[in-house]
Amino acid sequence: AQSVTQPDIHITVSEGASLELRCNYSYGATPYLFWYVQSPGQGLQLLLKYFSGDTLVQGIKGFEAEFKRSQSSFNLRKPSVHWSDAAEYFCAVADMNRDDKIIFGKGTRLHILP
Amino acid sequence: DGGITQSPKYLFRKEGQNVTLSCEQNLNHDAMYWYRQDPGQGLRLIYYSQIVNDFQKGDIAEGYSVSREKKESFPLTVTSAQKNPTAFYLCASSIVGSSGANVLTFGAGSRLTVL
Repeated sequence: AQSVTQPDIHITVSEGASLELRCNYSYGATPYLFWYVQSPGQGLQLLLKYFSGDTLVQGIKGFEAEFKRSQSSFNLRKPSVHWSDAAEYFCAVADMNRDDKIIFGKGTRLHILP
Repeated sequence: DGGITQSPKYLFRKEGQNVTLSCEQNLNHDAMYWYRQDPGQGLRLIYYSQIVNDFQKGDIAEGYSVSREKKESFPLTVTSAQKNPTAFYLCASSIVGSSGANVLTFGAGSRLTVL
């Protein structure tokens, strides 16, 4: 069965520092991979997605993620965080052949120190 | 602007009452979804629909019901049979059958509290 693991429940970084949020997935074939961001009390917004091709994908708000098949990972990165990046981040995986099954990780809450 | 509207934003309910959460989209998306979010649990799929007058159970459908009479609307009823209904409920939509499928657009959510 598909699964998504985000090992870090909370991460705290200083404003201006670099960020990496980890995501590991379990899936038999090449999955569709996503990162979403959620501000408190709001819905989720798509940051970026990987379907195929170049394994380094660029997203909105200066985020990028790299698909590493050998490590079953899809880590999210940003070179310099801003206070407005404080939010909860969700990694998700989808079955290429089924529209319905999109599995979300449990999320990583990002805290920014001034 | 196109998007998904969920209402109400906050809802309080007494035990034993049914409550219906509204979800309306003007994105012309065929598929619509309901997720439940609890702290530290991520999102869990309740129901989804890929076409009008058809819907499927997700992972946690017990105690919930839906209808899809119009493409734009996918209301969720939380029934008295749902044992732990207090949660944040998210509606989402997507296109079907192309490379854009699986990309979800979310509403702002509805927070239900059972007193």
